[in-house]
Amino acid sequence: GDSVTQMEGPVTLSEEAFLTINCTYTATGYPSLFWYVQYPGEGLQLLLKATKADDKGSNKGFEATYRKETTSFHLEKGSVQVSDSAVYFCALSDPTGTASKLTFGTGTRLQVTL
Amino acid sequence: EAGVTQFPSHSVIEKGQTVTLRCDPISGHDNLYWYRRVMGKEIKFLLHFVKESKQDESGMPNNRFLAERTGGTYSTLKVQPAELEDSGVYFCASSQSGINEQFFGPGTRLTVL
Repeated sequence: GDSVTQMEGPVTLSEEAFLTINCTYTATGYPSLFWYVQYPGEGLQLLLKATKADDKGSNKGFEATYRKETTSFHLEKGSVQVSDSAVYFCALSDPTGTASKLTFGTGTRLQVTL
Repeated sequence: EAGVTQFPSHSVIEKGQTVTLRCDPISGHDNLYWYRRVMGKEIKFLLHFVKESKQDESGMPNNRFLAERTGGTYSTLKVQPAELEDSGVYFCASSQSGINEQFFGPGTRLTVL
């Protein structure tokens, strides 16, 4: 079945450092790929998404590129802020429909310090 | 526009008791999903409603879990009787027909003692 593997956390960075959170997936066909973020005390929010190979999703300074050859969707940000501290989830959805379940990774906690 | 809401935010019950979680999706969203995250693990799919019909319930762990969506609006997830391993955060999400983007609620943290 489909699966998503994320790098283990927690990740601790100083403000303005470069961030990479690795995500790889296993799926049949061409799934859509997502990054969700959960800030403390809040629900999951969609951060960015990509629906086909070589697409780049971007939002709030975060980027991720859909790499089919490496089955990866790594999340990057050039300069993190304290306000980026949260748990980040990589996810995919089945390509066979537009309304289908999400398969998530385990989540990566990011802590940004001054 | 109101987002997805869930009630209660926290619930602490004893093993063997019954708990009912509620989810109110975004108005007009036909698709409603339930997910669960057990401590430190991945968020796992439980089931998917399209309006009032169960489209996919392949993730429901066992027959102690019962989900309903009467009238195609809000949904309830009942756990009866609760077991220790049912502890976790239960998330609800909704989406519009034809759009592959799910909006999540804040979750209900369930603790079974």
